[in-house]
Amino acid sequence: AQSVTQPDIHITVSEGASLELRCNYSYGATPYLFWYVQSPGQGLQLLLKYFSGDTLVQGIKGFEAEFKRSQSSFNLRKPSVHWSDAAEYFCAVAPSGYSTLTFGKGTMLLVSP
Amino acid sequence: GAGVSQSPSNKVTEKGKDVELRCDPISGHTALYWYRQSLGQGLEFLIYFQGNSAPDKSGLPSDRFSAERTGGSVSTLTIQRTQQEDSAVYLCASSLGSGASDYGYTFGSGTRLTVV
Repeated sequence: AQSVTQPDIHITVSEGASLELRCNYSYGATPYLFWYVQSPGQGLQLLLKYFSGDTLVQGIKGFEAEFKRSQSSFNLRKPSVHWSDAAEYFCAVAPSGYSTLTFGKGTMLLVSP
Repeated sequence: GAGVSQSPSNKVTEKGKDVELRCDPISGHTALYWYRQSLGQGLEFLIYFQGNSAPDKSGLPSDRFSAERTGGSVSTLTIQRTQQEDSAVYLCASSLGSGASDYGYTFGSGTRLTVV
């Protein structure tokens, strides 16, 4: 069965600084990969997804993620963080052609002034 | 509707009581999912409905949990004889077509269940 690891439970970044959130997956083939964001009291919103092709994918709100097969990673990045980015971020994986997503435990992003 | 709607948004119940949580997916979305989100535990898959097929119930934690989807639209998650460990946020999501693999999910805002 596939699994997802987000090694960082909390990360604090200064406003305007760059951000990288780590995600590692365990799956034999190339899975479908997703990043979601959850603001307090809200449901999850899809930031971006990777299925195939270009390993650098662009998402909403200025986020991007890079798929690295050799490292089984799909890290989320943003060049300059805004205070409104403070939220919890979830990485998720689904095997090709199957519907149920497996989520990591999330990384809480705190943005300091 | 425009998004996935869940009700109630908050529910406090006494231990041992039954509760029903409702999810109204996006019109035309054939796939519907329930997840449970506990503090520090991420999202735990509960059950998946796809069209008229038999649901995937593999994530239900015990036989106290059940769900149904009527007419391929609204879904109800029922928890019988609630326990304190059932306290969590229950999230519903829907997806166009057969899979999150192709389209990703659209989530509702969740129902926060507190068992006292």
